[in-house]
Amino acid sequence: DAGVIQSPRHEVTEMGQEVTLRCKPISGHDYLFWYRQTMMRGLELLIYFNNNVPIDDSGMPEDRFSAKMPNASFSTLKIQPSEPRDSAVYFCASSLTGLGSPLHFGNGTRLTVT
Amino acid sequence: DAKTTQPTSMDCAEGRAANLPCNHSTISGNEYVYWYRQIHSQGPQYIIHGLKNNETNEMASLIITEDRKSSTLILPHATLRDTAVYYCIVRVANNAGNMLTFGGGTRLMVKP
Repeated sequence: DAGVIQSPRHEVTEMGQEVTLRCKPISGHDYLFWYRQTMMRGLELLIYFNNNVPIDDSGMPEDRFSAKMPNASFSTLKIQPSEPRDSAVYFCASSLTGLGSPLHFGNGTRLTVT
Repeated sequence: DAKTTQPTSMDCAEGRAANLPCNHSTISGNEYVYWYRQIHSQGPQYIIHGLKNNETNEMASLIITEDRKSSTLILPHATLRDTAVYYCIVRVANNAGNMLTFGGGTRLMVKP
């Protein structure tokens, strides 16, 4: 089991550019979560999917953020246009359905927008 | 979800037990207590969870008070690699999803 795989590990871009973050969940997991972590706000849930369908996107900060899950093994988080305040570490996590099933996190993508 | 209160930071000597407290005085009867930790530059890692009975696994023990208003995570023999931020989270566990809301956590420093 390779765990949750995120790419890229680091991303540096200029303000106004489009950024796409990628996530491959653990095979067989039917829930996928996107979190953002900053020093000021800690870990925040942005959106989560169940069986590839977005369930709750109330944590998505603005319309500049969008997430998709075209199939069970792939998800993207896109920021267009990016702004310096989007600089953060973005984590993807997956889990199985079931009482108390733990979330398994990837190692994150550190995004820096200059 | 019930709110949790944890100390901001704690120190522990290597080889000794690390006892991390968490207050959750507004916990409901169907809410579980979860513990995760985050080692620097890594994603959060699941440790353990429980409802009302004490739980133990290969990583840690979870002691929940009888009134369920507080709990303690115990790392029996802390090592330097246990230095991390430890998050206590209270949430209803159901098949609708296990989304978690993270607070500030406790920064545990294990010292030689």
